[in-house]
Amino acid sequence: GAVVSQHPSWVICKSGTSVKIECRSLDFQATTMFWYRQFPKQSLMLMATSNEGSKATYEQGVEKDKFLINHASLTLSTLTVTSAHPEDSSFYICSARAPSGGDNEQFFGPGTRLTVL
Amino acid sequence: RKEVEQDPGPFNVPEGATVAFNCTYSNSASQSFFWYRQDCRKEPKLLMSVYSSGNEDGRFTAQLNRASQYISLLIRDSKLSDSATYLCVVNLPRAGYQKVTFGTGTKLQVIP
Repeated sequence: GAVVSQHPSWVICKSGTSVKIECRSLDFQATTMFWYRQFPKQSLMLMATSNEGSKATYEQGVEKDKFLINHASLTLSTLTVTSAHPEDSSFYICSARAPSGGDNEQFFGPGTRLTVL
Repeated sequence: RKEVEQDPGPFNVPEGATVAFNCTYSNSASQSFFWYRQDCRKEPKLLMSVYSSGNEDGRFTAQLNRASQYISLLIRDSKLSDSATYLCVVNLPRAGYQKVTFGTGTKLQVIP
């Protein structure tokens, strides 16, 4: 199957700093990428849908000014958590939709564990 | 009502048992459906898509009931390696994109 990578795999930062997470589709071009957040023992919550070359579509309750998403190329999307606070500590996972997937199959990155002190 | 609902479990079953999970969705306009598997602290991986006609992949069978708005996953001859959380995923078309909603997952523990 298609491979999606994320970097970094984990990050610890101080409150008030910004953190950038990269999501790359390694062997296919992804016109659409998704960003999710997962708190312990909870399901993945879709944060935003990112289409290459256009603005991301944020889900209700997700602050677009706090979670900046850039999808500048067909293989890279970035999520920047600005002015991070301890409540932003979570597992952030991206996924990319394979263009040939008639079932709209998504391939997930390994996730980034963010801890804000 | 939640958009996608699953029984969180855990389901504790002996090896070789058959186990079934259900998932209900609230929006009748939902178009595509999937079962994903997530191991502890790992990313989800697609297990199978769910078609109206039902589909089978080895020991796994998925079915969709649009009238009642639920999907099911049946696992036969459970293996220890089947222990994981099974996530129901529903895609709802929106203008220009699809909204992807995950259920909270059903935890399965297969016991020797």
